[in-house]
Amino acid sequence: AQKITQTQPGMFVQEKEAVTLDCTYDTSDQSYGLFWYKQPSSGEMIFLIYQGSYDEQNATEGRYSLNFQKARKSTNLVISASQLGDSAMYFCAMREGTGGNQGGKLIFGQGTELSVKP
Amino acid sequence: EPEVTQTPSHQVTQMGQEVILRCVPISNHLYFYWYRQILGQKVEFLVSFYNNEISEKSEIFDDQFSVERPDGSNFTLKIRSTKLEDSAMYFCASSEAGGPPTYNEQFFGPGTRLTVL
Repeated sequence: AQKITQTQPGMFVQEKEAVTLDCTYDTSDQSYGLFWYKQPSSGEMIFLIYQGSYDEQNATEGRYSLNFQKARKSTNLVISASQLGDSAMYFCAMREGTGGNQGGKLIFGQGTELSVKP
Repeated sequence: EPEVTQTPSHQVTQMGQEVILRCVPISNHLYFYWYRQILGQKVEFLVSFYNNEISEKSEIFDDQFSVERPDGSNFTLKIRSTKLEDSAMYFCASSEAGGPPTYNEQFFGPGTRLTVL
């Protein structure tokens, strides 16, 4: 079964509008972290925002915010006031609770390609 | 701002050849990772490394792969006998600690694009 599911292969948004990118996850752990990364066409992975499973508030980071619904196991990324430079692939990722020094690997979704239209 | 660096940015090799991909993690980080991304696909975990040994590895990380921290700064991924399907972008990442509940971002390097002919 998929651990991270991003159901939107591609999304379009008008410049200056807000857009929501969906992500659902599957874990039986109580302690886990959820991450969003941006990958522009140049290929690098840019960290955007993090939500911990015990965080009661939705994470925000500038124009990025998360709509974290723990019971639904979803963590949707909201980008407000879209800019042309936001056009990129966006990946949702999860790190499950680890014991000892296991290393905390990230499990990624398939990604959503966002295109911002002028 | 400290960053993870990777060399080379692009490596072209013949099938069956050995390649070594190099990474310099952020200096005070303790956990190191390799991921790969086949063109157009999602990022996949290969291996994590802590305290000079492998912490976890995926099914992809078979006997053809090995990792090493030969000195205090470099972290390498070796593929002994490359196959066509090893063509991918390989990302190195590092973090201060391993996982939740404490937030520990994994910082990614710019990647090495490996092309196997």
